[in-house]
Amino acid sequence: DIQMTQSPSSLSTSVGDRVTITCRASQGIGNDLGWYQQKPGKAPERLIYAASSLQSGVPSRFSGSGSGTEFTLTISSLQPEDFATYYCLQHYSYPHTFGQGTKLQIK
Amino acid sequence: QVVLQQSGAGLLKPSETLSLTCTVYGDSFSTYYWSWIRQPPGKGLEWIGEINRSGGIDYTPSLKSRVTISADRSKSQFSLKMTSVTAADTAVYYCGRRIGSSSPIQWGRGTLVTVSS
Repeated sequence: DIQMTQSPSSLSTSVGDRVTITCRASQGIGNDLGWYQQKPGKAPERLIYAASSLQSGVPSRFSGSGSGTEFTLTISSLQPEDFATYYCLQHYSYPHTFGQGTKLQIK
Repeated sequence: QVVLQQSGAGLLKPSETLSLTCTVYGDSFSTYYWSWIRQPPGKGLEWIGEINRSGGIDYTPSLKSRVTISADRSKSQFSLKMTSVTAADTAVYYCGRRIGSSSPIQWGRGTLVTVSS
């Protein structure tokens, strides 16, 4: 199985901050990675697909980069509605696997 | 707009069988791959398995012996069955869809399944 190591697990941040979340794959996955945002009591919502493509309707402050084994999700200027938990998901091979999640908290 | 409507029992006793169904409205069932994930209370997301357009199915190894995913294309439905549940299977279960070459586009609203005696 491909392991996805996501860091940090939590982050205390402020509105306006630039935030970077990293996912490392235990083997190369090309660009078969998505990023998801989950708010309490809600289903995950896709932000980024194919590692760097912005989902329609998602604000442009979100961006993704990387390929192979290292990937990043960047939020350029954190907004109040962005305080949530973020997950990466690899779909390169079965079983698909999620990162452990990164919870953004208000400082 | 595609809607994934989940249904199934939310309270089970240990050793019973979990049975959930996801009904798809608003798009062609045959276009997508259909999957299930779960999230125990306060924890992260776990991928359970997926059925593809051809009917091929893959499961996560840790659950493979207890899980069955199936599809009824005539009803635009797919289902998850999990046998011999324990308290460790208590979680919110989500159904989802994706185009074969991409990550899941959308998840259903989730069903909380509680296993308790």
